[in-house]
Amino acid sequence: AQSVAQPEDQVNVAEGNPLTVKCTYSVSGNPYLFWYVQYPNRGLQFLLKYITGDNLVKGSYGFEAEFNKSQTSFHLKKPSALVSDSALYFCAVRVRGQNFVFGPGTRLSVLP
Amino acid sequence: DTAVSQTPKYLVTQMGNDKSIKCEQNLGHDTMYWYKQDSKKFLKIMFSYNNKELIINETVPNRFSPKSPDKAHLNLHINSLELGDSAVYFCASSQDLLAAYEQYFGPGTRLTVT
Repeated sequence: AQSVAQPEDQVNVAEGNPLTVKCTYSVSGNPYLFWYVQYPNRGLQFLLKYITGDNLVKGSYGFEAEFNKSQTSFHLKKPSALVSDSALYFCAVRVRGQNFVFGPGTRLSVLP
Repeated sequence: DTAVSQTPKYLVTQMGNDKSIKCEQNLGHDTMYWYKQDSKKFLKIMFSYNNKELIINETVPNRFSPKSPDKAHLNLHINSLELGDSAVYFCASSQDLLAAYEQYFGPGTRLTVT
């Protein structure tokens, strides 16, 4: 069975500092990995995905994520956080023939 | 233009009632989904439809019945509503069933059962 863990319920970072939101996964087979962001009272928005190839993928709003197969991780990063990045972030995994499985979410607070 | 839209945005109703939530996507996608997000923000898939056909029906009560009149629409009908049905319901779509395609979500419908 697939599973996704986001070990931190909450991440606090000062504006201008780098941010990392962690994600680890467990699957049978090759994973496709995704990050989504949810702002208050809104639906989830796609940020980026890893399918194959370069382990570092770049996405919307300056976010990037690094796929690490040996550590089964797909951490989300941004070099310089903005207050407007404050939101709920979801990591998701999918393998061929299976449905998306979402992590529990991590609330990011960027402090001015 | 909104890519994935849902109506209504808010739905307040009493236990035992029957209600429907509508979803439409204008992205030309083949696959649509319904998700339930509980009060702790956990997101769980309920149904997947591909080209109007049910593909995956996760373990949900049979009081929930999805209906897809065409590829662009996926509606959710709920019979005999219970307190535990209170949640935010999201519709989503993806280009097709291939695992590599990301999903696009609607704005959600907040259902409150009293």
